[in-house]
Amino acid sequence: EDKVVQSPLSLVVHEGDTVTLNCSYEVTNFRSLLWYKQEKKAPTFLFMLTSSGIEKKSGRLSSILDKKELFSILNITATQTGDSAIYLCAVDTGGGGSNYKLTFGKGTLLTVNP
Amino acid sequence: DAGVTQSPTHLIKTRGQQVTLRCSPKSGHDTVSWYQQALGQGPQFIFQYYEEEERQRGNFPDRFSGHQFPNYSSELNVNALLLGDSALYLCASSTRATMSREQYFGPGTRLTVT
Repeated sequence: EDKVVQSPLSLVVHEGDTVTLNCSYEVTNFRSLLWYKQEKKAPTFLFMLTSSGIEKKSGRLSSILDKKELFSILNITATQTGDSAIYLCAVDTGGGGSNYKLTFGKGTLLTVNP
Repeated sequence: DAGVTQSPTHLIKTRGQQVTLRCSPKSGHDTVSWYQQALGQGPQFIFQYYEEEERQRGNFPDRFSGHQFPNYSSELNVNALLLGDSALYLCASSTRATMSREQYFGPGTRLTVT
């Protein structure tokens, strides 16, 4: 059975801190790894990673994938209260052709205090 | 550009009843996936529709069924509701026209079964 495990499950930091969120996976068919931010309801897309060792960056957020060790990290520098959310890691384990299927971890609840 | 829309926003049903949830994909998208997110958990893949056919299915019983219409919108039907079906139901849309495998999520329908 495909498995995606995120750690920690929750984290409380102060504004300005740097945080690292972890995601490990064991899946039979890896297509890509995705990070989402979920504040109220709809998860919003952050990054898609397909190749090892290539860092993706967007402002204060960055992410990298290690396909040998089967994990990814999401870094957030200089955290702000607006970064408070659940961060979801998902692996695209879609079948043949263009079929998509995301297997999600439980998420990391990040709380940034002022 | 309208994103993914879902209706209704909230729904309260009684055990044993049937429910239908609706999703309109983002403009230009042709593939719709449904996910169930229980409280404190990551979303779990239910199934995916493309060209009005179910293309992939997760580990959900036959009580969960769906449909996709020619305009790409989709419905999720759940029969014989159980208390454990209480969850946020998320719809995600994507397109097979490009190589991007990014899925865009709707705001979800919160289903409560009493």
